[in-house]
Amino acid sequence: LAKTTQPISMDSYEGQEVNITCSHNNIATNDYITWYQQFPSQGPRFIIQGYKTKVTNEVASLFIPADRKSSTLSLPRVSLSDTAVYYCLVGPFSGGYNKLIFGAGTRLAVHP
Amino acid sequence: GAVVSQHPSRVICKSGTSVKIECRSLDFQATTMFWYRQFPKKSLMLMATSNEGSKATYEQGVEKDKFLINHASLTLSTLTVTSAHPEDSSFYICSGGLAGDDGTDTQYFGPGTRLTVL
Repeated sequence: LAKTTQPISMDSYEGQEVNITCSHNNIATNDYITWYQQFPSQGPRFIIQGYKTKVTNEVASLFIPADRKSSTLSLPRVSLSDTAVYYCLVGPFSGGYNKLIFGAGTRLAVHP
Repeated sequence: GAVVSQHPSRVICKSGTSVKIECRSLDFQATTMFWYRQFPKKSLMLMATSNEGSKATYEQGVEKDKFLINHASLTLSTLTVTSAHPEDSSFYICSGGLAGDDGTDTQYFGPGTRLTVL
């Protein structure tokens, strides 16, 4: 499984766009990139998953450059309720149910 | 998204007793489920992979005789912490995998179970 590197923490203010970048230099050809959000004392919640270019859903956007060695999770107009830990995971999320190895994640704090 | 439940949400037990935690996929079938534990302010640590109808696969350093896993059906996996001790106090989380229409797999997590061993 490819190792990922994310900032340990980030601060933002309500209404701002937040971009969290994840480095994964050793990503393999069949690896996907997945982001999860976790609130205290809750299980992680799936946010978005992608393979290349850009993926967007009702919650976030995921930008993946052509070399796929990094990815950026973009949260538009954050609110206080977006304060959480965000995990970037890289792995072959197809062809079976592959285990996830979580890194430290990015602790996002949104301020009023 | 798919829904995974866990029961109980929190449990307090005495040292030396055994505790069973249930993980259910409510609206999908999960051939494979995973169990994690998480200490305060730390990341999730994978404990084992639970396979329906076969033995679980444990990660290095996880005692299989202490953390018994049974995957009795496609919607239920159980984790039993045997002879629990205070150091087993932690947040236990399970997940189930679901294949999407595009062929990719996504893991959906349960809400977690807070175990406190006195």
